[in-house]
Amino acid sequence: EDKVVQSPLSLVVHEGDTVTLNCSYEVTNFRSLLWYKQEKKAPTFLFMLTSSGIEKKSGRLSSILDKKELFSILNITATQTGDSAVYLCAVDRGGSEKLVFGKGTKLTVNP
Amino acid sequence: SQTIHQWPATLVQPVGSPLSLECTVEGTSNPNLYWYRQAAGRGLQLLFYSVGIGQISSEVPQNLSASRPQDRQFILSSKKLLLSDSGFYLCAWSTEGSVGTEAFFGQGTRLTVV
Repeated sequence: EDKVVQSPLSLVVHEGDTVTLNCSYEVTNFRSLLWYKQEKKAPTFLFMLTSSGIEKKSGRLSSILDKKELFSILNITATQTGDSAVYLCAVDRGGSEKLVFGKGTKLTVNP
Repeated sequence: SQTIHQWPATLVQPVGSPLSLECTVEGTSNPNLYWYRQAAGRGLQLLFYSVGIGQISSEVPQNLSASRPQDRQFILSSKKLLLSDSGFYLCAWSTEGSVGTEAFFGQGTRLTVV
């Protein structure tokens, strides 16, 4: 059965800290891995990763994929209270139109 | 540009009552459409997906059904709601990309069954 496992499930840090969120997966016919940020309602897209070892960056956020070890990490440096959200990892499987989501990591950044 | 509309935003329904949640997409044609449910503290559980009009795939057996009467319209329904149907329902769409498939989400419906 395909699965996506995120860790930790929740995390509380102080502003300025750096955090690393983890996502491991076991799926057939992997095509890409996606990260989303969910604050109140709709998840918003952060990154799509398809190749190992190539870091994607957007401001203080970065992510990388390891297709050999079947995991991805999402890094957030110099965290701010606005980074507080649930971060979702999802895997897209080729030959299927479905994204498989992990349970998410709830990040709380305290001032 | 593409947009997705989902309504209502919140809904409180008694047990045993029917349900109809609607989702429409603008600015794209023949999208893949999805209904997800998110229980408190949980990830997104895929309920239904559709690759075309009248084509519905169900992921888990449940008290819900879905229909796609038009290309850009996706409806989630129930004849009789259960308490366990409470949750946050998200509609999403995607297109088949050459590499990977990003999904775009509606704002969600918070359903409380009382």
